[in-house]
Amino acid sequence: QKEVEQDPGPLSVPEGAIVSLNCTYSNSAFQYFMWYRQYSRKGPELLMYTYSSGNKEDGRFTAQVDKSSKYISLFIRDSQPSDSATYLCAMYQTNSGGSNYKLTFGKGTLLTVNP
Amino acid sequence: KAGVTQTPRYLIKTRGQQVTLSCSPISGHRSVSWYQQTPGQGLQFLFEYFSETQRNKGNFPGRFSGRQFSNSRSEMNVSTLELGDSALYLCASSQDRGGQPQHFGDGTRLSIL
Repeated sequence: QKEVEQDPGPLSVPEGAIVSLNCTYSNSAFQYFMWYRQYSRKGPELLMYTYSSGNKEDGRFTAQVDKSSKYISLFIRDSQPSDSATYLCAMYQTNSGGSNYKLTFGKGTLLTVNP
Repeated sequence: KAGVTQTPRYLIKTRGQQVTLSCSPISGHRSVSWYQQTPGQGLQFLFEYFSETQRNKGNFPGRFSGRQFSNSRSEMNVSTLELGDSALYLCASSQDRGGQPQHFGDGTRLSIL
């Protein structure tokens, strides 16, 4: 079983739709959760970062973490063609000293928002 | 504040050669990590450097190595290149405080002929 599972899509939606992107994980040591957006020929860009269960909102983006179910989601409201990109979930585990990081990524979901 | 800078952006090499990639982290960031990204495997962790020391390492062969300088700039070296090394190599930097998010550069696209 992979440590982080993410549906690769592709996902195609009309402009204005609500998009839901999801990842599941198996390692309960993961403590910090991130969503990155990657445009073609560019590096991943940090969208959301959270470390607690619950929701975190930033503009049109909402990150949701459920540690009991080992499940994280990213919601995009009022999606725009400029949101077309690959979305990657990522998560950290640390050792007891808090300084030995291992950032593990999902494979990414390719999203296309059609005008 | 300037982001993470990677050079060169593109490289073409042949099998058996070696290559060195460079990364300048965000000012004040002391942790630098390297990743390999391919369509089949996604983003895979290579290694992390902090204070000129390799602190964490992924599951890559010894042909992949790196170093970090006193100004936190980092280089990655791949020796005896193989066709399978063709990938996007990404560098990321972060502050060194409990699980701080990493910020990525735009990568070096390495093609092996």
